[in-house]
Formats: sequence, C-alpha cells, structure tokens
Amino acid sequence: EDQVTQSPEALRLQEGESSSLNCSYTVSGLRGLFWYRQDPGKGPEFLFTLYSAGEEKEKERLKATLTKKESFLHITAPKPEDSATYLCAVDGGATNKLIFGTGTLLAVQP
Amino acid sequence: EAQVTQNPRYLITVTGKKLTVTCSQNMNHEYMSWYRQDPGLGLRQIYYSMNVEVTDKGDVPEGYKVSRKEKRNFPLILESPSPNQTSLYFCASSSPMMRGANVLTFGAGSRLTVL
Repeated sequence: EDQVTQSPEALRLQEGESSSLNCSYTVSGLRGLFWYRQDPGKGPEFLFTLYSAGEEKEKERLKATLTKKESFLHITAPKPEDSATYLCAVDGGATNKLIFGTGTLLAVQP
Repeated sequence: EAQVTQNPRYLITVTGKKLTVTCSQNMNHEYMSWYRQDPGLGLRQIYYSMNVEVTDKGDVPEGYKVSRKEKRNFPLILESPSPNQTSLYFCASSSPMMRGANVLTFGAGSRLTVL
C-alpha cells in the first residue's frame, strides 16, 4: 500500500536558522513526488515536483531533493513568511490520486 | 486568473439536511477531485473524475455523492450529513503533466460543521 510519512510534525526555527523537512514514502511505482505549502485557511499551493532519484529543484530559500525512499525539503536562512504547513504527496500511478503525508508545521520566529 | 472556486467557504448545518458544495475550475482541466482534511489524518480523497460523466470513488466515499455534467464543475453532495462529516473540504483539478504525474491546483477550501 502506498504510504507517505512526514517528520517532524512541527518545527520551530529562528529566522536564518537553516533546517530540513523529511518525507519518507513507499510506493509501487513513483510517477512523481510533490511538495505543497499550505497557509492557515487556504488550500495547498504547489511548490515542486520530483520524478526520479537524484533530482533536485530550487525556489528561493527552498530546495527539494529525492532519493528512492525519501525526499527532503531544505530551508536555507528561513524568514517568518516561510511559516506554513508543508505537505508531501506521491503519485504512485496505480491509482488516480495523490497520497498525502500529514504535513510539517513550520514556524519561523523573527 | 487560473483558479478553482469552491462555495460556500464556511457552512454550519444540522444532521440530515442535504447540502451541496460547489466547485468550478477555469483551466479546462480534465481531472477533478475532492479531498477532506482532518487533523492527524491529512488529506484523503473522497471522489474523483477523469472527465465529463466519468467519476469514481476515492478512499472515503461513504456519505458523499458527486456528478460531472460539465467539464468545469464538480459538485460534492452530502445527502444526509452526519457529525463525522465535519471537516475541511478541498476541490482540486489538474491536467496530466510530465510523465503523467498530476499537479493538482486546489481551491481555498470549505469548512463544514454538522451539528
């Protein structure tokens, strides 16, 4: 069964303190791994898609990487506006849906 | 602006009173889906539609109905709501992207409370 596990559940950082969020996945055939950002009271907003192990994508202070078992979202020198819940999801291809993790709630304090 | 629009955004209702949450997208996407989001459980798929008149069950379809009569609209119907359907609901749409993976565009969400 396809499964996605995110850690930690919550993370509090000081502004400028770099860190990483983890997404471990089990899927029969990976068609894509997705990172979304969700702000309170809003729908998830697409950040990245990764398709194969070794792939990396960057956007501003965020960098996503992918191995055969997990993905990391690296946050470099975060700012308070990076505070949000970050969701990881996989498209296993066998079913017409994304399997989501429960997310990491990131709080960046000034 | 490309978007998925859901209505209502907030609703409080009582057990058994039928309600419909509307969803409309302006991106000409073939695929549409409904998810519910609950604390500790994440986003779970309720129903999805590959195209007009083609719908199928997701992981948690009990107590819900959908229809897809037009490409842009995908309403979620709760025929007889119960308190365990209190949740945050999201509609999403996509077109197949690179290597077939679907990048979903989500609506802003509809928070439903059933008393």
